Amino acid sequence: DAGVIQSPRHEVTEMGQEVTLRCKLISGHNSLFWYRQTMMRGLELLIYFNNNVPIDDSGMPEDRFSAKMPNASFSTLKIQPSEPRDSAVYFCASNPTGLATDTQYFGPGTRLTVL
Amino acid sequence: AQSVSQHNHHVILSEAASLELGCNYSYGGTVNLFWYVQYPGQHLQLLLKYFSGDPLVKGIKGFEAEFIKSKFSFNLRKPSVQWSDTAEYFCAVIHANYGGSQGNLIFGKGTKLSVKP
Repeated sequence: DAGVIQSPRHEVTEMGQEVTLRCKLISGHNSLFWYRQTMMRGLELLIYFNNNVPIDDSGMPEDRFSAKMPNASFSTLKIQPSEPRDSAVYFCASNPTGLATDTQYFGPGTRLTVL
Repeated sequence: AQSVSQHNHHVILSEAASLELGCNYSYGGTVNLFWYVQYPGQHLQLLLKYFSGDPLVKGIKGFEAEFIKSKFSFNLRKPSVQWSDTAEYFCAVIHANYGGSQGNLIFGKGTKLSVKP
């Protein structure tokens, strides 16, 4: 199993540009989570999906952020327009069942730098 | 709102020293508890978890954690650390909503452990 796959691994962009981060779940998993990690705020949940349906997006910072799950195995997190304060590492994680007792499997992260 | 506190931001130990990293959470209901580890340049991976049964949980690489419900704590321990344990450790808590969706996994801010050889 390849694990959770994220692309790109590093992204450097200029303020105002659109950024799209991608995540492929582990096959058979049905829950997907997007996290953001910064020095100041630690690891924060942005949004999570269960069976392709967004369940809780209260962590999405503002309307510039949007996430989609067009099919059971793939998700995108889009920032438009990007700002320097969006610089962070963005992790995607998946979970087999969506149950509270289940482990989350994290991807390697995308390090985003907005200049 | 639920919150997770990890009291130590950075811990520096020599090899063979004993380790205890503190974790306290604020939620009063039934919770599931996790410790994740992030080695330098790598992604988070599960170290151990507790959701019921024996409150002393053993994980990988000789780590263990004890759930003390009365203290709302889930401290991580290892009797003798190695240089390879240098990493950042995250405690996480989730409301154990068995009837429905997973809910929000709340992470602590993390504790960086540096082990000197």
